Amino acid sequence: NAGVTQTPKFRILKIGQSMTLQCTQDMNHNYMYWYRQDPGMGLKLIYYSVGAGITDKGEVPNGYNVSRSTTEDFPLRLELAAPSQTSVYFCASRRGGTTDTQYFGPGTRLTVL
Amino acid sequence: EDQVTQSPEALRLQEGESSSLNCSYTVSGLRGLFWYRQDPGKGPEFLFTLYSAGEEKEKERLKATLTKKESFLHITAPKPEDSATYLCAVQAGGSGTYKYIFGTGTRLKVLA
Repeated sequence: NAGVTQTPKFRILKIGQSMTLQCTQDMNHNYMYWYRQDPGMGLKLIYYSVGAGITDKGEVPNGYNVSRSTTEDFPLRLELAAPSQTSVYFCASRRGGTTDTQYFGPGTRLTVL
Repeated sequence: EDQVTQSPEALRLQEGESSSLNCSYTVSGLRGLFWYRQDPGKGPEFLFTLYSAGEEKEKERLKATLTKKESFLHITAPKPEDSATYLCAVQAGGSGTYKYIFGTGTRLKVLA
């Protein structure tokens, strides 16, 4: 049981390039989340999904897109990368009861130059 | 507006010197409060969930408590391996989908 896995661990992009951050969970969780973490700013929600085919925006969705075609996978797409997207990105999942715990992946550190 | 504030931002302790971290919150309809530990370069690791005022949970040298306005993470006789950033998050809202609001964390350094 690997939990939540993310790839790549590190990536450097040039301004205007695009990329997809991968997230996979093997716990059969319904809910999945994408956060970004900037120094001293805490975790900010980008997008979340309550199940395959259903996604919704979080606090900071601009410049990002997501899809959820399977229960396991929740990729985050960056189009036209900008320096403001330099951050550490975390994917998380939870089963989906009334209140339950989120489990986080190890993160992807992205630098846009 | 839902808000979570953690204090202090940073804390340095000598090994064995007990202390507490604070997480104050303003949310509508608290469903749960979560504590996480985050080591440098890693994702947050779950520690505790608290659901209602008066609840307490313990794990080794850590004890989390909850009131109607704040939560404390008490660290008793800390060791250097307890050094990490401790994050607090709340789950609030009505039925259906739930979002989590995170504080900015407390960076704890325990010196040998």
